[in-house]
Amino acid sequence: EVQLVQSGAEMKKPGESLRISCKTSGYTFTKYWIGWVRHMPGKGLECMGVIYPGDSDTRYSPSFQGQVTISADNSLSTAYLQWSSLKASDTAMYYCARLNVIRDINSSYWFDPWGQGTLVTVSS
Amino acid sequence: QSVLTQPPSASATPGQRVTISCSGSSSNIGRNTVNWYHQLPGTAPRLLIYRNNQRPSGVPDRFSGSKSGTSASLAISGLQSEDEADYYCAVWDDSLNGPVFGGGTKLTVL
Repeated sequence: EVQLVQSGAEMKKPGESLRISCKTSGYTFTKYWIGWVRHMPGKGLECMGVIYPGDSDTRYSPSFQGQVTISADNSLSTAYLQWSSLKASDTAMYYCARLNVIRDINSSYWFDPWGQGTLVTVSS
Repeated sequence: QSVLTQPPSASATPGQRVTISCSGSSSNIGRNTVNWYHQLPGTAPRLLIYRNNQRPSGVPDRFSGSKSGTSASLAISGLQSEDEADYYCAVWDDSLNGPVFGGGTKLTVL
């Protein structure tokens, strides 16, 4: 069974750094993209970026470029989302999800399964 | 503002059929297949429809998806109270080189 298990909730102060994790199992970690999705209170889902652990190819959505760092540790089958200096506006639920890809005439990319989410609260 | 446009809300009574639209452009829906997710309050999103109209195992056939040009739709027939949730469309955008979501539609079962 494919599973993505995320690290626990975090409470941080503005300016602090943070790294949250997404540990995977049940499939070959290096053969699938992993994405991170932000869900702010009362707002919709936003894809922050994706990483292909096989070659570390990482793509950030424009809104998140330079704001976060996505990485992966193949030996641990784990993906990470990292902030160097948190802001109150980073308060949100963060989800990781495996990106399934089929490339043909109309390429298909879909997130499944998802991790359970990590709540990040940034407050002074 | 989301790259994909969805109505913010929809409502219907139990047993009725409801459709949720998703409008995009030639760089996303016009080129790639569309997926739909639903999210119950306090839970992680779950895949509902992938590749425009495919249902993962366990998703009832009351849920169906379609795509035409740069728009897509999710239809739910035989509406049930447990269908009350937020619904999101999503697709890969070739210009942004990554996945994009719609703003989400909150479905209320009256």
